[in-house]
Amino acid sequence: EVQLVESGGGLVQPGRSLRLSCTASGFTFGDHGISWVRQAPGKGPEWVGFIKSIVYGGATEYAASVKGRFTISREDSKTTAYLQMNSLKSEDTAVYFCARGRGSYWGQGTLVTVSS
Amino acid sequence: DVVVTQSPLSLPVTLGQPASISCRSSQSLVYSDGNTYLNWFQQRPGQSPRRLINKVSNRDSGVPDRFSGSGSGTDFTLKISRVEAEDVGIYYCMQGTHWPYTFGQGTKLEIK
Repeated sequence: EVQLVESGGGLVQPGRSLRLSCTASGFTFGDHGISWVRQAPGKGPEWVGFIKSIVYGGATEYAASVKGRFTISREDSKTTAYLQMNSLKSEDTAVYFCARGRGSYWGQGTLVTVSS
Repeated sequence: DVVVTQSPLSLPVTLGQPASISCRSSQSLVYSDGNTYLNWFQQRPGQSPRRLINKVSNRDSGVPDRFSGSGSGTDFTLKISRVEAEDVGIYYCMQGTHWPYTFGQGTKLEIK
């Protein structure tokens, strides 16, 4: 059974950093790209970024709203992807999901609240 | 960015009746590999999105066959042949051809 589990969310002050983890099981992690998608309260989903598989060089893409502040990485030996979030703003408050590829499977999400 | 426009945004449906959601993109969604990365997602209240349809018309594993997708280029449709109570939620189309990937505004399906 494919599973993705996010962790690392919480309450953080504006300007601070937070790192989210996405641990996967049930499939060959290294064969797939991993996406991070966020959903602000009462809003639709927003694609934050994507990391390709190592076969494709592990290339990353980011939404303009987070480029230069967020970094996605992966550690295939641990079947885990990461979302490093720096210089957080109140508008980054959302539930953050990781998903396989273009969204074939999703985790349950982890809430990030940016507030003083 | 590619703009994806859904209609209607609200869809009240009687149980057992069909439902249809339209999705239009501001650019062709045909990728360089020949595939069209237009997906449909269902999000039930309090849950993560779940992909129903990938690449326009391919039902994902475990998705009931009352859900079907069609379309090409810039115009796409999700149809539910007979709505059931468990279909209540918000439906999103999403394009995965052009970065950044973008979602439609969502269509809220409710039982009349």
